[in-house]
Amino acid sequence: GAGVSQSPSNKVTEKGKDVELRCDPISGHTALYWYRQSLGQGLEFLIYFQGNSAPDKSGLPSDRFSAERTGGSVSTLTIQRTQQEDSAVYLCASSPDRGRTDTQYFGPGTRLTVL
Amino acid sequence: AQSVTQLGSHVSVSEGALVLLRCNYSSSVPPYLFWYVQYPNQGLQLLLKYTSAATLVKGINGFEAEFKKSETSFHLTKPSAHMSDAAEYFCAVESGNTPLVFGKGTRLSVIA
Repeated sequence: GAGVSQSPSNKVTEKGKDVELRCDPISGHTALYWYRQSLGQGLEFLIYFQGNSAPDKSGLPSDRFSAERTGGSVSTLTIQRTQQEDSAVYLCASSPDRGRTDTQYFGPGTRLTVL
Repeated sequence: AQSVTQLGSHVSVSEGALVLLRCNYSSSVPPYLFWYVQYPNQGLQLLLKYTSAATLVKGINGFEAEFKKSETSFHLTKPSAHMSDAAEYFCAVESGNTPLVFGKGTRLSVIA
């Protein structure tokens, strides 16, 4: 079956512009996560959605970052007024539920470059 | 709060040699532990996970890891490295209702 997909795969933008990154999780997965992967920094948790519950936004680095998940499926991560330090690979993952031992299935990521 | 430390950002081994990637964690509650692998230009995929059953966990591609509570470690090993093992490996801990916390990763190079 289809895995997690993300679009675009690469995004180059100018400082100050807004960007939207899209994630299509595996069908039926109720939990969806966004991470940021910077060089040498590992994966930084940003936000996660679980079913119809309020999202956990505790990892968002600033109020320029926001995310939504429509209809319990597709999610969009929006970065407003991008800064050069926002350059990173943004990874999305989904899992069947929010069980502690659930495997997260990752998409290939969107590489964001802010000039 | 939980955390993960991966010793060595880069490990290089010869083909056929033992692979040992180190991971130490801290957690205030009994943790669940994961190893993920990221091949070049791909997303992460699960190698194996410890979920409080057996302390020695076997994963895909011949990898295994042993949970040692006394040492707060979950090191990843493989008896014989293959060229295709070259990738970045991430250790992660889940404890309580917080999202996975990942280590900074260890890049494994395999030399022919």
